[in-house]
Amino acid sequence: AQSVAQPEDQVNVAEGNPLTVKCTYSVSGNPYLFWYVQYPNRGLQFLLKYITGDNLVKGSYGFEAEFNKSQTSFHLKKPSALVSDSALYFCAVRDPTREYIFGTGTRLKVLA
Amino acid sequence: DTEVTQTPKHLVMGMTNKKSLKCEQHMGHRAMYWYKQKAKKPPELMFVYSYEKLSINESVPSRFSPECPNSSLLNLHLHALQPEDSALYLCASSQDVAMGTGSPLHFGNGTRLTVT
Repeated sequence: AQSVAQPEDQVNVAEGNPLTVKCTYSVSGNPYLFWYVQYPNRGLQFLLKYITGDNLVKGSYGFEAEFNKSQTSFHLKKPSALVSDSALYFCAVRDPTREYIFGTGTRLKVLA
Repeated sequence: DTEVTQTPKHLVMGMTNKKSLKCEQHMGHRAMYWYKQKAKKPPELMFVYSYEKLSINESVPSRFSPECPNSSLLNLHLHALQPEDSALYLCASSQDVAMGTGSPLHFGNGTRLTVT
């Protein structure tokens, strides 16, 4: 069965420090991987995706993600966190047979 | 600002009411979606329209009735809802209609529905 896991319910990081939000996946075939962010009382916003090519994907607002096939991971990263990055982050996978599968979400809290 | 517009932003309805949620996109996308999201949970897929035809219905109760009048509009008709149906209802669109491609979802900001 296809699945995606976000092992951390919440990640706390100090402003200016690097941040990582973890995601692992289990799919058959080549995965299409996505990260979305959700601010309070808003819809989900697309940040970045991995389809093929370079394992390091750059996205919006200075975020990037590293695809690691051997570890089946797609962790979201940012070199220097901002307080305004505080939000709920969802990893998602889309495989050739069905629609998006979302992870359970990770709440990022950036402390001033 | 989102390119998918949802109205109303908030809706309070009684269990005997009939109401509709509306969604509009002008990006030329051919797939449109309804999701339901409970607080601090991931979105749950309800319906998918592909080229204005219903292609996925994820076993949603009949008190939810989707409609796609044209390629830019998506409605969700609500009737005889239960309090547990209270949630954020999100509309989304994507460029492609084929499953398993790289087109991301574009979400609206949702309708916050409260059933009393």
